[in-house]
Amino acid sequence: AQSVTQLDSHVSVSEGTPVLLRCNYSSSYSPSLFWYVQHPNKGLQLLLKYTSAATLVKGINGFEAEFKKSETSFHLTKPSAHMSDAAEYFCVVSALYNQGGKLIFGQGTELSVKP
Amino acid sequence: DTGVSQDPRHKITKRGQNVTFRCDPISEHNRLYWYRQTLGQGPEFLTYFQNEAQLEKSRLLSDRFSAERPKGSFSTLEIQRTEQGDSAMYLCASSKGLGQDTQYFGPGTRLTVL
Repeated sequence: AQSVTQLDSHVSVSEGTPVLLRCNYSSSYSPSLFWYVQHPNKGLQLLLKYTSAATLVKGINGFEAEFKKSETSFHLTKPSAHMSDAAEYFCVVSALYNQGGKLIFGQGTELSVKP
Repeated sequence: DTGVSQDPRHKITKRGQNVTFRCDPISEHNRLYWYRQTLGQGPEFLTYFQNEAQLEKSRLLSDRFSAERPKGSFSTLEIQRTEQGDSAMYLCASSKGLGQDTQYFGPGTRLTVL
């Protein structure tokens, strides 16, 4: 079975400093991994996805994530936080396409950005 | 591409009442998914459709829940005899249904059962 574990339930950074949101995954096959962001009262938006191509994945709004098979990790980073980055972030693994492709979400990490 | 839409956005009901939610996926998306998100948790899979066929149901989907996608376009999720534990955000997502493609989410329907 596939699963993801987000190691921090809450991360607080100052504006202009780096962001690191940690995620470990468990999968019996080569996984597809995603990061989604959820702003208050808004829908889930895809930040980036990994599907076995390049291990360093670039997403929207300056975010990127690196797939590390040896560490079973898929951490999300951004060099410089902006106030608008404050939101809930979800690390997600996908079931195989022939198993429906349903998404399995982590518990979420709330990112706070201080001025 | 107008995005995934859901209606209503908010629903308040009394325990024991029936409620129905609607999801309109992105045009020509073959797969449609329903998820449920409770406060402070990540979304959990409920069920999905490939065109009009419902191919998988989570054990979270008790017999009080039923979902349909009659013509392979919009979908409805009905909850009968609502309970306070059904209070949650119900999310719909759609995808083209090609390999590991992206699921696009709607804004959700927030259900409050009093």
